Amino acid sequence: NAGVTQTPKFQVLKTGQSMTLQCAQDMNHEYMSWYRQDPGMGLRLIHYSVGAGITDQGEVPNGYNVSRSTTEDFPLRLLSAAPSQTSVYFCASRRIDSPLHFGNGTRLTVT
Amino acid sequence: ILNVEQSPQSLHVQEGDSTNFTCSFPSSNFYALHWYRWETAKSPEALFVMTLNGDEKKKGRISATLNTKEGYSYLYIKGSQPEDSATYLCASNYNFGNEKLTFGTGTRLTIIP
Repeated sequence: NAGVTQTPKFQVLKTGQSMTLQCAQDMNHEYMSWYRQDPGMGLRLIHYSVGAGITDQGEVPNGYNVSRSTTEDFPLRLLSAAPSQTSVYFCASRRIDSPLHFGNGTRLTVT
Repeated sequence: ILNVEQSPQSLHVQEGDSTNFTCSFPSSNFYALHWYRWETAKSPEALFVMTLNGDEKKKGRISATLNTKEGYSYLYIKGSQPEDSATYLCASNYNFGNEKLTFGTGTRLTIIP
């Protein structure tokens, strides 16, 4: 049972480049979400999904897209990277009314 | 945007001492309160999920209480050990069926051997 798997662990992008952060879970969780962690800011919700085909915006959605074509996968796309998107990104999943299970994080630097 | 606040921001505690810290959240339309433990270079791990006013949960030397009427939760650590050094996060969500969890900025606990 792998839990929540995030790739890559580290990434450096140049301003304007695009990329996709991958997230997969094998626990059949309905709910999946993406957070970013910045110093002094806590974990901020980017986008979330309550099931396949359903996504919604969180607190800081601008500059990011998501899709949920399967229960297992919830990729996060950066369309045109900006230095303000330098952060640590966490994917998490859970059953409704249960605690979050987090991936190991992706450290992204945009130069 | 809901405001979840944690205090203190950081705390140094002598090994063997007990400690506690606070999570404050808006009480209207409250649904659930989560506590997570986050060690450096790792991912947050769940400690407790609480929903009912007066709830008290315990996991080893760590316990938590919940007051939904006044909007606060306390996390207690009894007999602190060096392995308790971590950042402790709380998060809340509102309205049944609303899955958005809003996190506080955490309390960074350092245990002094």
